[in-house]
Amino acid sequence: EPEVTQTPSHQVTQMGQEVILRCVPISNHLYFYWYRQILGQKVEFLVSFYNNEISEKSEIFDDQFSVERPDGSNFTLKIRSTKLEDSAMYFCASNYRGNSPLHFGNGTRLTVT
Amino acid sequence: AQKVTQAQTEISVVEKEDVTLDCVYETRDTTYYLFWYKQPPSGELVFLIRRNSFDEQNEISGRYSWNFQKSTSSFNFTITASQVVDSAVYFCALSESLLNSGGSNYKLTFGKGTLLTVNP
Repeated sequence: EPEVTQTPSHQVTQMGQEVILRCVPISNHLYFYWYRQILGQKVEFLVSFYNNEISEKSEIFDDQFSVERPDGSNFTLKIRSTKLEDSAMYFCASNYRGNSPLHFGNGTRLTVT
Repeated sequence: AQKVTQAQTEISVVEKEDVTLDCVYETRDTTYYLFWYKQPPSGELVFLIRRNSFDEQNEISGRYSWNFQKSTSSFNFTITASQVVDSAVYFCALSESLLNSGGSNYKLTFGKGTLLTVNP
């Protein structure tokens, strides 16, 4: 069964550094998302991406965040200047049309030191 | 605003017991979806079920069953004859459509999750 893949599984970075989290959504999916889960807390919506543009973003998704679909397969989340509070598990998700469920990747654990 | 409440923070049962995880939601949308996801200790989010707000039929899948009651805004999840492998955090989630795309593009509002521990 096709799945959403995320790399790396764990990323450690220093405060102030830029990080790029990578995702390969399921190939025929049209809608892409990033969610975040701070350790021990609930999963929170960050951003939705459709037709090569952001369709909605949450309050968390400030100017330090950006998303891109650089080619036909990858979907990336960039954090320009990481802060300690950006430490979390970041989940990529995608879905097709016709009310299909969101399929999540296994997540990237980001640790900012 | 959308809201999902999972009042049970932690539940501990002994193997083979039945267990019900509660989920209550709030929304102003007339059309929405409800979901349950499982998050095992390894951390991934595993999709379990999605229900359309127009479909109140209960669903059974093996040892899992779901009870959707629109009148009480609840979507409870029951595991029958629980097993140690069922130990995980279970999240209930509610969708909100983002675009006029027939509901294809939506965001999920998650509850805080219920940590289920099944002891041998």
